[in-house]
Amino acid sequence: EVQLVESGGGLVKPGGSLRLSCAASGFTFSSYSMNWVRQAPGKGLEWVSSISSSSSYIYYADSVKGRFTISRDNAKNSLYLQMNSLRAEDTAVYYCARESHLDCSSTSCYSDYWGQGTLVTVSS
Amino acid sequence: DIQMTQSPSSLSASVGDRVTITCRASQGISNYLAWFQQKPGKAPKSLIYAASSLQSGVPSKFSGSGSGTDFTLTISSLQPEDFATYYCQQYNSYPPTFGGGTKVEIK
Repeated sequence: EVQLVESGGGLVKPGGSLRLSCAASGFTFSSYSMNWVRQAPGKGLEWVSSISSSSSYIYYADSVKGRFTISRDNAKNSLYLQMNSLRAEDTAVYYCARESHLDCSSTSCYSDYWGQGTLVTVSS
Repeated sequence: DIQMTQSPSSLSASVGDRVTITCRASQGISNYLAWFQQKPGKAPKSLIYAASSLQSGVPSKFSGSGSGTDFTLTISSLQPEDFATYYCQQYNSYPPTFGGGTKVEIK
């Protein structure tokens, strides 16, 4: 069974940093690209960042570029999101999601499995 | 960026109703369109990919159609467990973008 479990969320002051983790199990983690997607309270879904299976390709939303860093450790079956210079508008539930192999465009694939999310609150 | 516009933003329906949600892309995305269901406090769940392919384990009452810029998600006979918010997402090009969501409520 595919499982994705996020951790590392919490309350942080504006300008602060936080590192999110996503522990993967039930599939060959090193074969899949992974995403971070966030959802502000009461709002819709927003893609944040993607990383290819070997970390060769990395993409960021303009809203987080230069502040967030996605990474992965295939030996540990783990995905990470280092978040620096946090702002109030970064407050959201952060989900990690696996990119499916079933259907992909030339640039990306849809996400077939999602974790339960971890809440990040940026407030003084 | 490709803008995804869903309509309606919310709807009220009764158990047994046939429900259709539309999603329009600001430019052509071929069939690189996915649909997700999200219940309160839960993670999104994949329903449809490639505009019309059913994710494994998803009941056949869900169906998708469309290509290019206009897409639809249909629930053939609404059941209590189907009351949720539904999102479309394009994965034709970066950044992947989501529609604003359609909340399906009980009438």
